[in-house]
Amino acid sequence: TQLLEQSPQFLSIQEGENLTVYCNSSSVFSSLQWYRQEPGEGPVLLVTVVTGGEVKKLKRLTFQFGDARKDSSLHITAAQPGDTGLYLCAGGARGNAGKSTFGDGTTLTVKP
Amino acid sequence: EAGVTQSPTHLIKTRGQQATLRCSPISGHTSVYWYQQALGLGLQFLLWYDEGEERNRGNFPPRFSGRQFPNYSSELNVNALELEDSALYLCASSLYVGGSSPLHFGNGTRLTVT
Repeated sequence: TQLLEQSPQFLSIQEGENLTVYCNSSSVFSSLQWYRQEPGEGPVLLVTVVTGGEVKKLKRLTFQFGDARKDSSLHITAAQPGDTGLYLCAGGARGNAGKSTFGDGTTLTVKP
Repeated sequence: EAGVTQSPTHLIKTRGQQATLRCSPISGHTSVYWYQQALGLGLQFLLWYDEGEERNRGNFPPRFSGRQFPNYSSELNVNALELEDSALYLCASSLYVGGSSPLHFGNGTRLTVT
């Protein structure tokens, strides 16, 4: 069974602070996605990383895929209240077509 | 572009009854996925349909079933409902490109079993 562990589970910070969320596994993933989910809504795709060592930037969000494709991180610079939500990582592995394994998520609260 | 739509938004059933949840994918997407998001348990993969066929299934009992129609919309059926089936059921669609594709989710159906 392929598992994705996210840390921290909960994070509460002040507006303007920086933060990093981690997504770790003992398994290799062919690709990894990050999603953000707000209450009452479905997850929204933020980014897909495919290549080991890949770094992608989306405004104040920086995503990194580990060299071995077993882990990933999401760094937010100067967090804003609008960043509040549940951040989920999800990975797909070879041999299990169509199935994405999700981490349990990091609940981020950014206080104004 | 219209997103993934799910109906109903809320559904209340009693134990032992059957529930039917519906999903319309983004136009042009041929794959539909169903996930269960129970409180505190994260998203659990239920089913994947592509081109009208069930392609993969998660670790759920057979009373969870579904189908995909020729227009690529999908239906999830849950028979003999149990209290622990109470959860948010999320449908997602994608244009399958191999492996795990980035998913576009609907806002879910909140199923409550009493």
